Amino acid sequence: DTEVTQTPKHLVMGMTNKKSLKCEQHMGHRAMYWYKQKAKKPPELMFVYSYEKLSINESVPSRFSPECPNSSLLNLHLHALQPEDSALYLCASSQDPGQGRQRSNQPQHFGDGTRLSIL
Amino acid sequence: KNQVEQSPQSLIILEGKNCTLQCNYTVSPFSNLRWYKQDTGRGPVSLTIMTFSENTKSNGRYTATLDADTKQSSLHITASQLSDSASYICVVHTNAGKSTFGDGTTLTVKP
Repeated sequence: DTEVTQTPKHLVMGMTNKKSLKCEQHMGHRAMYWYKQKAKKPPELMFVYSYEKLSINESVPSRFSPECPNSSLLNLHLHALQPEDSALYLCASSQDPGQGRQRSNQPQHFGDGTRLSIL
Repeated sequence: KNQVEQSPQSLIILEGKNCTLQCNYTVSPFSNLRWYKQDTGRGPVSLTIMTFSENTKSNGRYTATLDADTKQSSLHITASQLSDSASYICVVHTNAGKSTFGDGTTLTVKP
């Protein structure tokens, strides 16, 4: 079992649906991340939240909308997705977001992901 | 452009044998380099984190090396087990918090 819990594990949705992915951690981590991973490819960073504020948005389309309601929860709201958005969506957290050499040396703890299929 | 290149792309070894995976990078300014293991259907798990001043770090049967001058890292797996079959991903972080992922090496350990 991982310390980062993602729900649901699998999600199938149509292009007109609205759904949300959820991520939860209780390790007291103050940085949380969303990644997208296609088959046989490494994870691609989408968003970073630092102390519950969005700090990095890697030019992700607006059909993906992140939300950090509190320090333990991270959501990814989905609307009007395309078939090419089908992928494994991974959430991760780390103790400190880091701004310099000292503070950035923290491991990221990943959840097992939500496998999303867009019909 | 910041890049991380891993080799080989895939590797098949027999159980009990050792192997070494390579990671070369051009990421700058360098903060740290991480090796992750990702089992099929699971999220990545951190194996080692190495900073500029560290040359080697071990985690059980996994030993990572870093040469910051040549910008090369390796991950050595000793006495491989069937459970080592996974994708091994090298990630390099900058001081600004940016991370660059390699494409990974897929390791298959056969009995």
